[in-house]
Amino acid sequence: EPEVTQTPSHQVTQMGQEVILRCVPISNHLYFYWYRQILGQKVEFLVSFYNNEISEKSEIFDDQFSVERPDGSNFTLKIRSTKLEDSAMYFCASKREGDTQYFGPGTRLTVL
Amino acid sequence: EDQVTQSPEALRLQEGESSSLNCSYTVSGLRGLFWYRQDPGKGPEFLFTLYSAGEEKEKERLKATLTKKESFLHITAPKPEDSATYLCAVQLGNTDKLIFGTGTRLQVFP
Repeated sequence: EPEVTQTPSHQVTQMGQEVILRCVPISNHLYFYWYRQILGQKVEFLVSFYNNEISEKSEIFDDQFSVERPDGSNFTLKIRSTKLEDSAMYFCASKREGDTQYFGPGTRLTVL
Repeated sequence: EDQVTQSPEALRLQEGESSSLNCSYTVSGLRGLFWYRQDPGKGPEFLFTLYSAGEEKEKERLKATLTKKESFLHITAPKPEDSATYLCAVQLGNTDKLIFGTGTRLQVFP
């Protein structure tokens, strides 16, 4: 059964550094998403991406964040200058048509 | 403001002891309600989508139901492997994003 994959599983970085989180969505999916979950809190929507452009973003997704689909298979989330409060699990999700989003296993980002 | 509230926060059950988890929502223009299962350190795993009041979906020991204001996830004769956090999320008519509740952490003891 096809799955969303994410790398790395755990990323440790220093405050102020740039990080790129990578996702490979399910191959025939067209819509891509990033969510995050701070420890002990709700899963929160960050951004949705379709047809090579952002279709919606949350207040969290400020100028420090960007997304890209650099080739036909990868979908990335970049944080330009990490802050302590960016420490969280970051989940990528994808869907084809319809409403069901399928989530990856997540990347745990720790900012020191 | 659109809100999703899940209760209880945590639930401990003996193996075989059936129970229900609640997800209540206050949103404008519900398009769909989703149930996911999340194991520690993992991503949400899709279980069910419900679209209209009165709708029911079943999978093994789980059954999800929907009314105009809430959804229930009924667990019949649970087993220890059903232990996980169960997340409810809603999707509104004008957006693709999911709005999640805080989840119910279920522990089933043998």
